[in-house]
Amino acid sequence: SFELTQAPSVSVSPGQTASITCSGDKLGDKYACWYQQRPGQSPVLVIYQNTKRPSGIPERFSGSNSGNTATLTISGTQATDEADYFCQAWDSSTAWQVFGGGTKLIVL
Amino acid sequence: EVQLVESGGGLVKPGGSLRLSCAASGFSFSIYSMNWVRRAPGKGLEWVSGISSSSAYIFYADSVKGRFTVSRDNARNSLHLQISTLRADDTATYYCVRDLGSPGPFDNWGQGTQVTVSS
Repeated sequence: SFELTQAPSVSVSPGQTASITCSGDKLGDKYACWYQQRPGQSPVLVIYQNTKRPSGIPERFSGSNSGNTATLTISGTQATDEADYFCQAWDSSTAWQVFGGGTKLIVL
Repeated sequence: EVQLVESGGGLVKPGGSLRLSCAASGFSFSIYSMNWVRRAPGKGLEWVSGISSSSAYIFYADSVKGRFTVSRDNARNSLHLQISTLRADDTATYYCVRDLGSPGPFDNWGQGTQVTVSS
């Protein structure tokens, strides 16, 4: 079955750029999206269709997807960006929505 | 403003059942596919089930197939999840989620309802 793999955690200093990756077989052939979930809150969509930002999401959030890897990039990382980030893609062979295991972004 | 408000969670014994509901407002509920997603303590997000706008297409994750049943009432702008034969590993926060593109992405999430399975 289709699986998405993420690193458990990524650390970044305030003001620096954070890159969070998501890997899956031929992921670049699918649309990837990304969700941010802060502690105690519901997930929020931050990137969809690989590169698009929903209304209200800051420009410092960007995405890419090629080959087997999708990447969420956060430029000028702020303390408020500390959260769990999940990638997601749709597996057309099963019609299942698949989530990556999540990456905890630590801003220190 | 899009609002999704879940209800029906609680503490239930293993083998028990619950019916989760989601009241939708602020958008044309009947034209959107909807989904349930859960997050167990210390775990990541897990897609549970999806239902198309007219209920013609329904999908379940393998982990819940045969035990969970999703339904919707477009006249009442409501989504439901009947969860049965509950196990400890079903303990999670369950989110009602709007599907923007059928399939995905999930652009609006409810606040979640907690389900705890314990004896």
